[in-house]
Amino acid sequence: DAGVTQSPTHLIKTRGQQVTLRCSPISGHKSVSWYQQVLGQGPQFIFQYYEKEERGRGNFPDRFSARQFPNYSSELNVNALLLGDSALYLCASSLYLTGGAADTQYFGPGTRLTVL
Amino acid sequence: AQTVTQSQPEMSVQEAETVTLSCTYDTSESDYYLFWYKQPPSRQMILVIRQEAYKQQNATENRFSVNFQKAAKSFSLKISDSQLGDAAMYFCAYRRRNAGNMLTFGGGTRLMVKP
Repeated sequence: DAGVTQSPTHLIKTRGQQVTLRCSPISGHKSVSWYQQVLGQGPQFIFQYYEKEERGRGNFPDRFSARQFPNYSSELNVNALLLGDSALYLCASSLYLTGGAADTQYFGPGTRLTVL
Repeated sequence: AQTVTQSQPEMSVQEAETVTLSCTYDTSESDYYLFWYKQPPSRQMILVIRQEAYKQQNATENRFSVNFQKAAKSFSLKISDSQLGDAAMYFCAYRRRNAGNMLTFGGGTRLMVKP
């Protein structure tokens, strides 16, 4: 089975632009989470979606938004890009939302966003 | 809020030897999970090992084992018989039980393996 896939692999934008990142979860997984990983730091939680509804949000400004589609794929949108948004954006999928013992998260390879 | 701290930015180990990576965390919860993830240069975060806080027995996965000290809020990773392919960033992470899937990560430890 294919793992979590993300597109594009790399992206270069300029300040003030908008960007959309895409994620396809593992087949059968209904939950998708997004993380931002600034160079040299650990990932930080941005959003979690389950069954197309937002179920958790980290400490990020309203410029960040996301959605989940009926096929459980997801998009992360960032408006009015700032230099500080340059980071690796990771998507993770899991079967459920409960956070129980069996609910392991599997990560994609990430999208590297550079804001100039 | 929960915090995860990895006090070793970099560690080095000789091939075939053993290395221990440290992690401490802060939480007021009693029921949670702890994880070690490996991130090689390919960037893909890979789950190495998981520990459930209500289990006293330390988790093991082949050459990887943990030392979980709940009272001390400590969760170290031991890698035995280190291999060149173990070279990567290692992240310790925390997740509350039955409260969604939000992971809180530490800052990471870069492990270098010398041949």
